[in-house]
Amino acid sequence: DIVMTQSPDSLAVSLGERATINCKSSQSVLYSSDNKNYLGWYQQRPGQPPKLLFYWASSRASGVPDRFSGSGSGTDFTLTISSLQAEDVATYYCEQYYSTPRTFGQGTKLEIK
Amino acid sequence: EVQMVESGGGLVQPGGSLRLSCAASGFTFRNSWMTWVRQAPGKGLEWVAHMDQDGSQRNYVDSVEGRFTISRDNVQNSVYLQMNSLRGEDTAVYFCARGHYGLDIWGQGTTVTVSS
Repeated sequence: DIVMTQSPDSLAVSLGERATINCKSSQSVLYSSDNKNYLGWYQQRPGQPPKLLFYWASSRASGVPDRFSGSGSGTDFTLTISSLQAEDVATYYCEQYYSTPRTFGQGTKLEIK
Repeated sequence: EVQMVESGGGLVQPGGSLRLSCAASGFTFRNSWMTWVRQAPGKGLEWVAHMDQDGSQRNYVDSVEGRFTISRDNVQNSVYLQMNSLRGEDTAVYFCARGHYGLDIWGQGTTVTVSS
């Protein structure tokens, strides 16, 4: 199974500041035949289901604000929020869909400093 | 309106069974991969199972293989999760979700509690 490891486990950032969350996979999730990274990012606010933010590591899902960006390739990925807003308080998860079982990172809890 | 609504959760004794249902609307269900994801109390997300559009491909996480069965009805626009031989560690909120490359529509979840 591919193990997904996020860092940090929790993060406190001031409003308007940048937040960066990292995700590392135990093996590459870059599929050579299509040159796509089989990785997604999700946001889960308290008491809510997860919401897809990015697929293919950096393709923004519908309705996601452009202050969010996804980057990386192979085994190392980053989710960045350029200017933190109050509604961004949530837990964020990366997920690989390169192989089954699909696996999620342990989550990163983002709070306001 | 695009939505997915889960039902069928509840309290069950260890060794018991439950059947979860997820009713989809607002999109072309028969063209969509469907997935079940669970979240134990206070824990992270765990992928449970998924299946393709016609049911020819189904995959499960090892911990439920042989106990859980995913199925679908493309007329009723519903996906199901039959859960047998339930254990305490199956206690979780169970979400259904659409998609294969990125899960883009999620239900609100249904709670399964396995306890005597």
